[in-house]
Amino acid sequence: EAQVTQNPRYLITVTGKKLTVTCSQNMNHEYMSWYRQDPGLGLRQIYYSMNVEVTDKGDVPEGYKVSRKEKRNFPLILESPSPNQTSLYFCASSSGLGSNQPQHFGDGTRLSIL
Amino acid sequence: AQKITQTQPGMFVQEKEAVTLDCTYDTSDQSYGLFWYKQPSSGEMIFLIYQGSYDEQNATEGRYSLNFQKARKSANLVISASQLGDSAMYFCAMREGVIMRFGAGTRLTVKP
Repeated sequence: EAQVTQNPRYLITVTGKKLTVTCSQNMNHEYMSWYRQDPGLGLRQIYYSMNVEVTDKGDVPEGYKVSRKEKRNFPLILESPSPNQTSLYFCASSSGLGSNQPQHFGDGTRLSIL
Repeated sequence: AQKITQTQPGMFVQEKEAVTLDCTYDTSDQSYGLFWYKQPSSGEMIFLIYQGSYDEQNATEGRYSLNFQKARKSANLVISASQLGDSAMYFCAMREGVIMRFGAGTRLTVKP
């Protein structure tokens, strides 16, 4: 089954404790992206990757890191999480950058930073 | 500046009636893509319909159609014959090059 898998689905942690949210896709997609969803703001792009070893900032990259060492994986790293990073996070992938390619989303990760 | 604007935070529609969800966008690019996604209460994001900036005809997918007015920079989603299962958040999104931007969403409630 074609899917984007995120882990964990839920996480409650404390300020400053490094965490990683994993994302993996099995569709051989080149393009992967991370978003955060906050009430009244919709989804905002954090980082995206056009292919292995190619990553770039989205609209809200501060406080986040990513890596793309393999095509299928695109982890999101919070080196020193803060309460303002409490949010619902989505990983997404699509085949190339053709404008008609819809993104396939993971089920989301709800992070609470205390 | 907000690139994608959804002016209706919440909408109600009677079951079996049609409903239009508004979306306006701002871009100076000639080539871009417009998408609508549905997010039910379970939280997943479901792709509904796509419209390309060069597409001359409005996109349709089953009960979903997109009313694309390029000169007005609007891409409204029309859902015909609403069903109770259509109750959800709906997001309009635009791809400019490699960047995807989303509106704030519209919460649709279908009343029996």
